[in-house]
Amino acid sequence: GAGVSQSPSNKVTEKGKDVELRCDPISGHTALYWYRQRLGQGLEFLIYFQGNSAPDKSGLPSDRFSAERTGESVSTLTIQRTQQEDSAVYLCASSAGLAGFKQYFGPGTRLTVT
Amino acid sequence: GESVGLHLPTLSVQEGDNSIINCAYSNSASDYFIWYKQESGKGPQFIIDIRSNMDKRQGQRVTVLLNKTVKHLSLQIAATQPGDSAVYFCAENSAHNAGNMLTFGGGTRLMVKP
Repeated sequence: GAGVSQSPSNKVTEKGKDVELRCDPISGHTALYWYRQRLGQGLEFLIYFQGNSAPDKSGLPSDRFSAERTGESVSTLTIQRTQQEDSAVYLCASSAGLAGFKQYFGPGTRLTVT
Repeated sequence: GESVGLHLPTLSVQEGDNSIINCAYSNSASDYFIWYKQESGKGPQFIIDIRSNMDKRQGQRVTVLLNKTVKHLSLQIAATQPGDSAVYFCAENSAHNAGNMLTFGGGTRLMVKP
């Protein structure tokens, strides 16, 4: 496909379990971003990957959150020992990086922690 | 720190009227600005962007105005339609550890009354 894809679209998990969220960016985009969006709120920056540079992790809310990206392709966001306050939509975006600021967003993964 | 903020969290307009969504920014070094529209249950979608060497840019039914003197950005929607009901985010480019990226404002919800 031509756009950013995310999976799963919905995830329900029990408190204390680990979850992995996946993002497939647009092919050729060197930059990839993760955001968290709580219900009715704005975009909360989590992490930013740019090419082979060290990722900007300044937005990760705790050490339970981590993300990886293999080269300039797929990224996974992992949340360990999930808490109810982790319930939110997790959005991924990609961009041409240094060649362009415009971010293209995926549809998001809605995470519900029970 | 630098931030992008909005004057109005919710805007209600009559169908057919023009809508104006405002955004204030504080980073005088920002040279790229962008508006996104987020419909319920979807990821943000690009609407229009503008560089700091321009004061105005028009798209289909939308116009973005940039006033660098007072650091103000606005999105004008002509003849607002029910399909325009959404949350609108402004964003500016900013420098992060890994490179330039967008900093998003808090969002404005536009409600169109029939």
